[in-house]
Amino acid sequence: AQSVTQPDIHITVSEGASLELRCNYSYGATPYLFWYVQSPGQGLQLLLKYFSGDTLVQGIKGFEAEFKRSQSSFNLRKPSVHWSDAAEYFCAVGGNSGGYQKVTFGTGTKLQVIP
Amino acid sequence: DAGVTQSPTHLIKTRGQHVTLRCSPISGHKSVSWYQQVLGQGPQFIFQYYEKEERGRGNFPDRFSARQFPNYSSELNVNALLLGDSALYLCASSPSSGPGYTFGSGTRLTVV
Repeated sequence: AQSVTQPDIHITVSEGASLELRCNYSYGATPYLFWYVQSPGQGLQLLLKYFSGDTLVQGIKGFEAEFKRSQSSFNLRKPSVHWSDAAEYFCAVGGNSGGYQKVTFGTGTKLQVIP
Repeated sequence: DAGVTQSPTHLIKTRGQHVTLRCSPISGHKSVSWYQQVLGQGPQFIFQYYEKEERGRGNFPDRFSARQFPNYSSELNVNALLLGDSALYLCASSPSSGPGYTFGSGTRLTVV
């Protein structure tokens, strides 16, 4: 079965500081990996995805993530956080589960940005 | 090109009623998946449909059902609504039988 762990429920960073959100996944084969952002009351916006190839993935809004197979991790990073980045971030793994395809989400990390 | 579109955006229903939510996938996409996101949690998989057939079902009661139409749009139906069904319902589409990862903006269902 596929699963995702986001160990940090809540993170606070200062505006302009760097950010790293942790994500560990469990999946038997090479997974599809995703990071989404969700503002309060809104839907999910895809930040970036990894299917194969280069393990360092660039996304929108200046985010990047690195796939590390040996650590089963897909951490999200941003060098300088802006106040508008305050939101909830979900890591997700996609693939075959019991003969069908689905995306499994982590529990999310809520990011607070302080001036 | 339009993305995944869902309707309605908001809905208020009374316990015991039924509800129908609609999803139109990205043009050319043949797979639609439904997810439920309860406040404070990550989305949970409900159904996947591909080429009008149910391919997978998550751990949801039989009150939840869905179907996919020849134009690949989809409906999610929930009968005998409970307060706990209050959630954001998200639809995702995919061009193939693979996991849909492009989501619509969702339908927020409130059961009172």
